Amino acid sequence: GNSVTQMEGPVTLSEEAFLTINCTYTATGYPSLFWYVQYPGEGLQLLLKATKADDKGSNKGFEATYRKETTSFHLEKGSVQVSDSAVYFCALSAPISGGYNKLIFGAGTRLAVHP
Amino acid sequence: NAGVMQNPRHLVRRRGQEARLRCSPMKGHSHVYWYRQLPEEGLKFMVYLQKENIIDESGMPKERFSAEFPKEGPSILRIQQVVRGDSAAYFCASSPRTGPSRNWETQYFGPGTRLLVL
Repeated sequence: GNSVTQMEGPVTLSEEAFLTINCTYTATGYPSLFWYVQYPGEGLQLLLKATKADDKGSNKGFEATYRKETTSFHLEKGSVQVSDSAVYFCALSAPISGGYNKLIFGAGTRLAVHP
Repeated sequence: NAGVMQNPRHLVRRRGQEARLRCSPMKGHSHVYWYRQLPEEGLKFMVYLQKENIIDESGMPKERFSAEFPKEGPSILRIQQVVRGDSAAYFCASSPRTGPSRNWETQYFGPGTRLLVL
């Protein structure tokens, strides 16, 4: 079946540190992959996505590369800020009835960045 | 350019009451998804609807839960006879159905309704 596994949090970093949040997936076929971010008390915002192998999604200094050989989509940022503190969700697009799709999410990784 | 709208943002119900959650998709989007997020967990798919049609409800509990997306007005997620275990954040997402097919997979989320059952 389809599933997403993320590293457990919380991840605690100092400002300007390097960030990696690991995400691996199990899927039939070649799904699109996503990272969403959730700030406290808010909904999910799309951070970046990749639709095929070796694609790199990037946004706001965050990057993730679709690695088919390792079934991974790790999120990275070179220098985190306090404002990046949030919960990050990795997700894949899985087929449902009639050729449509749903998102399957990992459990989320909480990031706390301290000044 | 309004995003996905959900109301109410917070809803408190006593056990046995009904909860109605509303979702208006982004302008130009005709596809709505409902997800549930239990505390400290990821989101779980519940149901996918198009206007006047339920396409997939494989994630919906078999009893007490129903969803609709009428021709006019918002999508409604209805929970009858709520129990404490229904306490969660319920998120609605929408997607377009035009353009390159891979664009259809991107879903845009509302702010959620946080349901608390006392």
